[in-house]
Amino acid sequence: DTGVSQNPRHKITKRGQNVTFRCDPISEHNRLYWYRQTLGQGPEFLTYFQNEAQLEKSRLLSDRFSAERPKGSFSTLEIQRTEQGDSAMYLCASTSQTGMSYEQYFGPGTRLTVT
Amino acid sequence: GENVEQHPSTLSVQEGDSAVIKCTYSDSASNYFPWYKQELGKGPQLIIDIRSNVGEKKDQRIAVTLNKTAKHFSLHITETQPEDSAVYFCAASPSLKAAGNKLTFGGGTRVLVKP
Repeated sequence: DTGVSQNPRHKITKRGQNVTFRCDPISEHNRLYWYRQTLGQGPEFLTYFQNEAQLEKSRLLSDRFSAERPKGSFSTLEIQRTEQGDSAMYLCASTSQTGMSYEQYFGPGTRLTVT
Repeated sequence: GENVEQHPSTLSVQEGDSAVIKCTYSDSASNYFPWYKQELGKGPQLIIDIRSNVGEKKDQRIAVTLNKTAKHFSLHITETQPEDSAVYFCAASPSLKAAGNKLTFGGGTRVLVKP
């Protein structure tokens, strides 16, 4: 078990460009979460999946954001027409719904800088 | 929705002293309260958690207390060491059976342990 992995670790893009991030959760975890963390703040919930179904989206997730988890394994988060306000750390976490475990395990994050 | 307040925002302690971080939450449906440690450039790492049916939990030098009536919980680190220097986040969540177990985080406490 290698933990939650995220790629890329860093992304610099120009305003107006599209970017896509990938998250690979812990293999047996069926729930996957995306959070956004701006400098000096705590992570904020964006969306989560149970298997391949996207069950909840935060109001923070504007129409320019889309997330998928097509086969219930890895997930992608795409931001279209990036804005400077999108600059943040995008964190992925996973957990298992089975049993009584509540623990969410976080990946290292993807730091996005929009210039 | 849930709102989590965390104090203090920064905490400087002498090596060997204790550190205490306090959080309050607003949603009485929350019943899971994890604490995360985040080092520079890394994702949050779970260090201890507590559920609402327990008032206190301890793991070596770290302890967490919960007062559900007052809706506050605290992290206690004893015999602090330089490697405890990091940003600490509290969080709150309802059970897995409701609301997808999304975490609402506090604003973080930057802890500096001076040798």
